Amino acid sequence: SQQGEEDPQALSIQEGENATMNCSYKTSINNLQWYRQNSGRGLVHLILIRSNEREKHSGRLRVTLDTSKKSSSLLITASRAADTASYFCAGGGGSNYKLTFGKGTLLTVNP
Amino acid sequence: NAGVTQTPKFQVLKTGQSMTLQCAQDMNHNSMYWYRQDPGMGLRLIYYSASEGTTDKGEVPNGYNVSRLNKREFSLRLESAAPSQTSVYFCASSKSPGLIGDEQFFGPGTRLTVL
Repeated sequence: SQQGEEDPQALSIQEGENATMNCSYKTSINNLQWYRQNSGRGLVHLILIRSNEREKHSGRLRVTLDTSKKSSSLLITASRAADTASYFCAGGGGSNYKLTFGKGTLLTVNP
Repeated sequence: NAGVTQTPKFQVLKTGQSMTLQCAQDMNHNSMYWYRQDPGMGLRLIYYSASEGTTDKGEVPNGYNVSRLNKREFSLRLESAAPSQTSVYFCASSKSPGLIGDEQFFGPGTRLTVL
């Protein structure tokens, strides 16, 4: 079963705009991670937020976590064409060190 | 450091053929993983190895076997390939078996087509 479900499935914006992607998960987690995947490449870790944190920043990234609603959001500010990629959330928790990935949001940033 | 490397990058098999996908990491990580990625399905865990000498099934293990050869290497074997195994395969690793859901580092992937 998928632990993370991203919304929307696809998002198209203009360069300079902000992009917001949402993630919902079903069971309890220890942390929530966001990854980026450029076309034809492997996933790259962006940011990890622990279950006892509500908000975290890293450069142009802002992640929030609401454990009561089992949801997270990823905000990319001042987007660039190079941000064009698929973004995945992954819930970390349970036994045996596994992450469970959602299906991803395809972000297109138009120059 | 090369990070996580995978070979081959591309492979075409006929139904029934066998092959082994190789993965190696040079980050001294304890845990390693194999995923498959299919359109519209996201990443699904096939097998993982929490530490050297141990392997466990993930979400979709049928038709696959794995070997944790040493701390660096984790291979995935298809004994009798089927068209349903056409996919992109990713290997990943993470640092510590003591941290649940640790950050994972991914290889570039192997694109496999089974005819």
